[in-house]
Amino acid sequence: DAKTTQPNSMESNEEEPVHLPCNHSTISGTDYIHWYRQLPSQGPEYVIHGLTSNVNNRMASLAIAEDRKSSTLILHRATLRDAAVYYCILRDVRKKLVFGKGTKLTVNP
Amino acid sequence: GAVVSQHPSRVICKSGTSVKIECRSLDFQATTMFWYRQFPKQSLMLMATSNEGSKATYEQGVEKDKFLINHASLTLSTLTVTSAHPEDSSFYICSADQGLAYEQYFGPGTRLTVT
Repeated sequence: DAKTTQPNSMESNEEEPVHLPCNHSTISGTDYIHWYRQLPSQGPEYVIHGLTSNVNNRMASLAIAEDRKSSTLILHRATLRDAAVYYCILRDVRKKLVFGKGTKLTVNP
Repeated sequence: GAVVSQHPSRVICKSGTSVKIECRSLDFQATTMFWYRQFPKQSLMLMATSNEGSKATYEQGVEKDKFLINHASLTLSTLTVTSAHPEDSSFYICSADQGLAYEQYFGPGTRLTVT
């Protein structure tokens, strides 16, 4: 399974944008970039995924580098409810998700 | 989004007993279900992958005789922890996908404490 590298932790202030980076230099051509988040004592929640183009949904935006070796999850206006561990995962279609350590996001009021 | 439930949400059992955890996809048929375990302050570790009507595929290092997985229908998978020991105390999480979809839907987790 291709690996990803994320900072252990990040901090943000409420209502400010947050950019969560992820490096995946060994990504293969068929790997999708997935982001999940996990709130304390809950199961993970799907956030967004993409292959090559930038993606937007109601929760976040995903910016993918042209060489696909890195990506950034963008929360446009952080709220206290966005405090969670964010996981960047490479996944081939129909294959299993392998979780790394993720980035713990703290949102300050 | 699709909903996955788990039951029970929390269970305490005595050492040596067996515990069954249910995972249900409530509004879709799950061709594949996954079981994860998460220890405090650690990431999720995939234990096994199960497909309806066939034997589960266990990850390396996971004892299949200890963690029995049954995927009897497209909406239900069960994980039975047999002869539980205190070191089996953990947060167990299931997930499901619909095969063609790209995202997995996770259950809320089951906190198992073995005394």
